[in-house]
Amino acid sequence: AQKVTQAQTEISVVEKEDVTLDCVYETRDTTYYLFWYKQPPSGELVFLIRRNSFDEQNEISGRYSWNFQKSTSSFNFTITASQVVDSAVYFCALSALNSNSGYALNFGKGTSLLVTP
Amino acid sequence: SAVISQKPSRDICQRGTSLTIQCQVDSQVTMMFWYRQQPGQSLTLIATANQGSEATYESGFVIDKFPISRPNLTFSTLTVSNMSPEDSSIYLCSVDRSSHGYTFGSGTRLTVV
Repeated sequence: AQKVTQAQTEISVVEKEDVTLDCVYETRDTTYYLFWYKQPPSGELVFLIRRNSFDEQNEISGRYSWNFQKSTSSFNFTITASQVVDSAVYFCALSALNSNSGYALNFGKGTSLLVTP
Repeated sequence: SAVISQKPSRDICQRGTSLTIQCQVDSQVTMMFWYRQQPGQSLTLIATANQGSEATYESGFVIDKFPISRPNLTFSTLTVSNMSPEDSSIYLCSVDRSSHGYTFGSGTRLTVV
């Protein structure tokens, strides 16, 4: 079975603070993919990152960084110096081969981030 | 990355009626995925649509309620049948674009009254 847990339902920070969004996943597969998506109030889903299970390198993209640790089955997302425009719901997702649905995404429940001025 | 055109973008429907949602992809893809996002919730996979075969449905979703067509490698439709207010959700189609991640349509915001 595949499962993604985002324990933080809502986070509120003041602009310029750093914030980390947690993601813990479960899968029996050795080959899998992890993702983060942003869903701003407008509703569209914005792809942020894709990471395969064999690549544990951390990644940085501007103010965004991701920490992938297979030992703890976690794929955490940090926003440095947060901005009001970062306010959105963030989803962590897992893709692993499923006989029924192929590599469909399994989403966590999402973390709603509010950044206030 | 792929562009997905999804329509309608929103609709208000009477209970008991059906609505067909269309997704057109700008390149050929093997699998298309249909998701539902209920208000304030996460995305739940409804079914996976392969061209030339019947869609495979997730637990809790049945073909009679959510029939899917996949006539070619760039197009798919999802029908929400015999609607009730509980079907009010955002419905999204998605395709896997490899290193660009899964691309999603802009969604169909359905309200059933």
